[in-house]
Amino acid sequence: SQELEQSPQSLIVQEGKNLTINCTSSKTLYGLYWYKQKYGEGLIFLMMLQKGGEEKSHEKITAKLDEKKQQSSLHITASQPSHAGIYLCGADAGGTSYGKLTFGQGTILTVHP
Amino acid sequence: DGGITQSPKYLFRKEGQNVTLSCEQNLNHDAMYWYRQDPGQGLRLIYYSQIVNDFQKGDIAEGYSVSREKKESFPLTVTSAQKNPTAFYLCASRKLSRRLAGNTGELFFGEGSRLTVL
Repeated sequence: SQELEQSPQSLIVQEGKNLTINCTSSKTLYGLYWYKQKYGEGLIFLMMLQKGGEEKSHEKITAKLDEKKQQSSLHITASQPSHAGIYLCGADAGGTSYGKLTFGQGTILTVHP
Repeated sequence: DGGITQSPKYLFRKEGQNVTLSCEQNLNHDAMYWYRQDPGQGLRLIYYSQIVNDFQKGDIAEGYSVSREKKESFPLTVTSAQKNPTAFYLCASRKLSRRLAGNTGELFFGEGSRLTVL
């Protein structure tokens, strides 16, 4: 099955600092999704990447998918306390597991004012 | 408004009892999913269904059962065989498209159900 490895597992930054979260797979990522979660709540969709080399931005968050489609990064510029939460990457499995979407173990982000 | 509704939000169960978590969506989505989340961890896939009357096991299906009798509904039963059922359970749904092989839309999530076994 598709296994996604996120790094780091947790991250503590000072407000205003930039940060990057990585998501790596040993298999090709057919569809790569980034979500944010406040503890004990549902997930909020951030971005979806499909093509190798694709990059998308929303406000201060930028997500990239590498050319080989095996690694994605999420970059936050000038972090704010509102960015704090759990960030999860998810990916579609292709082939006979079409429709199956699994997630990484998450990255816990803390932003100190 | 369209969305996904999970109920109950909080549930307490005694050991040895089965319990069913409800998930309903009015988004006309094809696929529905159940995930389990433990504290400080990511989501692990329990079951998923792409069409009515069909579903597939995820990575941690043991001790759980599902049904998909209607497109809108995908209830999850946590059976007494599940050895460590205390967790946060999330239901999700999405449209499926074969227009691009392997690619499809993002998941829409419910607010979750927190199950505690006493």
